[in-house]
Amino acid sequence: DIQMTQSPSSLSASVGDRVTITCRASQTIRNYLNWYQQKPGKAPKLLIYAASSLRSGVQSRFSGSGSGTDFTLTISSLQPEDFATYHCQQSYSPPSTFGQGTKVEIK
Amino acid sequence: QLQLQESGPGLVKPSETLSLICTVSGGSISSITYYWGWIRQPPGKGLEWIGSIYYSGNTHYNPSLKSRITISGDSSKNQFSLRVSSVTAADTAVYYCASSGYEWGEFDFWGPGTLAIVSS
Repeated sequence: DIQMTQSPSSLSASVGDRVTITCRASQTIRNYLNWYQQKPGKAPKLLIYAASSLRSGVQSRFSGSGSGTDFTLTISSLQPEDFATYHCQQSYSPPSTFGQGTKVEIK
Repeated sequence: QLQLQESGPGLVKPSETLSLICTVSGGSISSITYYWGWIRQPPGKGLEWIGSIYYSGNTHYNPSLKSRITISGDSSKNQFSLRVSSVTAADTAVYYCASSGYEWGEFDFWGPGTLAIVSS
């Protein structure tokens, strides 16, 4: 199985901060990398697919980049509703696997 | 747009079979557009892909669970289901159903999830 490692596991940030979360795959996954946002007690919500494609309806302050094994999710200006846990997922080869999650908390 | 809703017993005894149903509205499980998947999340932990089914009945399972899981579809009810046999406490999790564009692709629509607890 392809292992997905996110860093950091958690971070504290303030409204307006630029936030970057990284996700590393144990082998190349080309651009088959997706990002989700999950709030407590809720299902994950797809933000970005294919490493850098913003899902329709998702705010443009979210962006993704990377290919191969290293990927990033960037929130350009953190908003109050962005405090949540973010998960990456590789959809390159089965079984699809997720990172352990990064919790973004209020500083 | 698609809406999905999980249902099933909240409590299952160890060694028994967990059965969950996902009811789909706003689209057909017989559509060639979607794959239908199950994902779970143990309390306080990360997400785990369980498997998926296509309108044709083709299934793909996570090898770590393959011997114990069955995913099937019922087009007459626009539902698909998950069965997990011989459950243990490690199967306690929130179970989500979701749609994707291919077997293990990104999941674009999700149900709210249902908590299944394995306990005697």
